[in-house]
Amino acid sequence: GNSVTQMEGPVTLSEEAFLTINCTYTATGYPSLFWYVQYPGEGLQLLLKATKADDKGSNKGFEATYRKETTSFHLEKGSVQVSDSAVYFCALSVNTGNQFYFGTGTSLTVIP
Amino acid sequence: GAVVSQHPSWVICKSGTSVKIECRSLDFQATTMFWYRQFPKQSLMLMATSNEGSKATYEQGVEKDKFLINHASLTLSTLTVTSAHPEDSSFYICSGGQGQNYGYTFGSGTRLTVV
Repeated sequence: GNSVTQMEGPVTLSEEAFLTINCTYTATGYPSLFWYVQYPGEGLQLLLKATKADDKGSNKGFEATYRKETTSFHLEKGSVQVSDSAVYFCALSVNTGNQFYFGTGTSLTVIP
Repeated sequence: GAVVSQHPSWVICKSGTSVKIECRSLDFQATTMFWYRQFPKQSLMLMATSNEGSKATYEQGVEKDKFLINHASLTLSTLTVTSAHPEDSSFYICSGGQGQNYGYTFGSGTRLTVV
């Protein structure tokens, strides 16, 4: 089946610290991989995506590489800011109708 | 960009009552709407998929008579939780789009608490 396993939180970091949120997946077929972010009181927003192996998605200083050999899509950022405080969801989508399979979400709090 | 407006953002209701959650696509026509539910410390799980003008397709284990989905127009889909019970307390979120090539946009979610 299709599933996403995501690092549990909450995660608390100091400003300018390095961030890694682990994500691994299982999928039937060849999935596209996504990271979504949810800021307080807002909907899920697409942060970045990758559609094939070895693709690197990047946005706002965040990046993640589609690793087929390890079935992983870890999210990284070199220097986090207070404004990055949010819940981050790893997700995959297979071709059948764009249904998404989500991880449990990781809450990130960045303190000054 | 595409926006899906979902409301209410939170609601508290008594057991046995019904609650309606609305999702409106503000600047595009959502031919397909997905409804998800998230229990504490669990993943967002797909409940049902609806296409405008047709009956919703429910995932296994989701009671279609309890979670009524209406997608009567290209800009509005509603989820009604009927005869709500405390175990229905959850976070519900919709996602609307025009198909695989155009991407999907999520609403802001609704926190339902049944007391």
